[in-house]
Formats: sequence, C-alpha cells, structure tokens
Amino acid sequence: QSALTQPPSASGSAGQSLTISCTGTSNDIGEYKYISWYQQRPGKAPKLIIHEISRRPSGVPDRFSGSKTGTTASLTVSGLQPEDEGDYFCISYAGNNNYVFGTGTKVTVL
Amino acid sequence: QVTLRESSPALVKPTQTLTLTCSFSGFSLTSGGLCVGWIRQTPGKALEWVGCIDGDGDKFYSPSLKTRLTFSRDTSRNQVVLTMTSMDQVDTGIYYCVRLNLAADFFDYWGQGTLVTVSS
Repeated sequence: QSALTQPPSASGSAGQSLTISCTGTSNDIGEYKYISWYQQRPGKAPKLIIHEISRRPSGVPDRFSGSKTGTTASLTVSGLQPEDEGDYFCISYAGNNNYVFGTGTKVTVL
Repeated sequence: QVTLRESSPALVKPTQTLTLTCSFSGFSLTSGGLCVGWIRQTPGKALEWVGCIDGDGDKFYSPSLKTRLTFSRDTSRNQVVLTMTSMDQVDTGIYYCVRLNLAADFFDYWGQGTLVTVSS
C-alpha cells in the first residue's frame, strides 16, 4: 500500500486558520470512514485529535475539525495557537486489518 | 490514566530475532473492543502498521510482515510481546506501542517509542 499524501509543511499566524490535506485512494480514504488525525510535538508520543473523519476525543479543543471529500481527508485548525506547532499525520483503515499512514505535515505558527 | 511503555532500545544483528515488550496500565485488554500492538517509523517507509493482539488473543498482522511476526499477551501482567524474525537493516526504526479501538479503527493511546537498530 502507498502512503497517504500530505504537504510536508504548513504555516500560519496565531489566530489564523490552517488546513492540512491527506490524499489517498478509493481503497482507503475513499472507501472507509475510519480516518484519524494525530499531533506529535517534539519528543512526545503522538496524540489522537480526530477519529472517524470528524469526531473529537474528549479534551481536544473544538478548533480542531476534520472532513472528507472523495479520496481526500482534511484537518482544519481554526484560531491557531503557539502550542499547535508540531507534526500532524493521518491514518486510514485500508481493509484486511491493514492501515495506511500519511507522510506527515510540519506545522509552524508564525 | 492510560499509559503504554515499550521495553528498552534494542540492538540486533541481521537475521536475528527481535523481541519487544509493551507494558500497559489504566485499562484491561480483556474489557473488549481493544487491541494492543505496534506501529513503527522507519527511514524508508515512514510510519507503518505492524499489528496487534486483542483481549481474546486474536492477532491482527500487517499483510506485509505477517510471515515474520508473532504476538503474545500476558493479561495478568498487562503486557504484550512482539517477536519479529529475520531482522534486516530496513527494519531499523522507532517502534511505538499503541492501543487500537477496534470498533472505529483509531489509535487512541501511544507509547513514547523505542529505538530498534539492526546492525552487524
């Protein structure tokens, strides 16, 4: 399985909105609703921020939102905060007990 | 509070077998709907699904790695053990212990990761 494609980097000023795309195929993102997003700050374990396309776990700020159109999923961060800096990656279920991963996006808050 | 912790970094020689232990707390694997396993991050393939084992002892292996993998669990000690045979330099990377929610296929908790180096 090929990796899901994400932009290598994204940036925005504090308070602005930023959207990260995650592009797959009809065998993964296009087929399933089981798409999740993770944040990884330097030296820390990845943290789940979105699951099932758009659902937020308890404790995740509502400025994080997710969506999907066709074979592309998106993560939007509204009202960027300095603590939002880090790496973000997506994961999609791909059938047959298999998962595919995004290439990762480094977010910088200017 | 849910935590997962991988065993110490490992150095293995090519063709040898890797054994990693994940110790977890804050939940019971037998409570249902959960799977504890591994995701790895290698220089060549970025993040990659390895597999997991659930509370019933059912194993879910990556199709590309399954011939080399064995998972076991000790529910009394809250541990999951990964064994991977025929290690090669391309297997070098960080191995994360993860908890998988089987109902909705997302990884809700991750360990800090442990470095595995394959070198002669």
